[in-house]
Amino acid sequence: GAGVSQSPSNKVTEKGKDVELRCDPISGHTALYWYRQSLGQGLEFLIYFQGNSAPDKSGLPSDRFSAERTGGSVSTLTIQRTQQEDSAVYLCASSLVSGGGTDTQYFGPGTRLTVL
Amino acid sequence: GDSVTQMEGPVTLSEEAFLTINCTYTATGYPSLFWYVQYPGEGLQLLLKATKADDKGSNKGFEATYRKETTSFHLEKGSVQVSDSAVYFCALSDQNNNNDMRFGAGTRLTVKP
Repeated sequence: GAGVSQSPSNKVTEKGKDVELRCDPISGHTALYWYRQSLGQGLEFLIYFQGNSAPDKSGLPSDRFSAERTGGSVSTLTIQRTQQEDSAVYLCASSLVSGGGTDTQYFGPGTRLTVL
Repeated sequence: GDSVTQMEGPVTLSEEAFLTINCTYTATGYPSLFWYVQYPGEGLQLLLKATKADDKGSNKGFEATYRKETTSFHLEKGSVQVSDSAVYFCALSDQNNNNDMRFGAGTRLTVKP
């Protein structure tokens, strides 16, 4: 079946503009994660959605970052007033959370964001 | 909060050398532990996992044992190949913490022929 998809694959924007990044998780997966991977850096957790529970936003670096997950499926990560330090690859992952704990995360290909 | 600390890279080895990448964790509950791998130009994919103490995860010649007493999940391979060159990420998921996932910073491995 289809994996996790993300769009756009690449986004170049000017400093100060807003951007929206989209993630389509695997159908039926209840958990959805956003991460940021900066050049030469590891994975930085941003936000986590699980079913209808309130999202864990503890990783969002500033109030310019927000995310929504509509209907328990598609998610949009919005970055307002982008800064050059926001340049990174933004990864989305989904997993099927069972009663016994978290199953494997499946990652999308990422969106490479470049802020000029 | 929950966190993962893994060995800093980069690591450069010759083909057929023994590999260890250290990983330790901090968690409030009883997490599941994972190693993910990112090959050049590809996305992250699961390499192996262990869900309880003393479990051993294994795949493609790689192994890692869940050690609760040392809060560790070190990745090992007896004989690395050039094709193992990648970035390796240790991660945990804590069922008692809403199943949040936390990743280490990643360790870049380069294997030379």
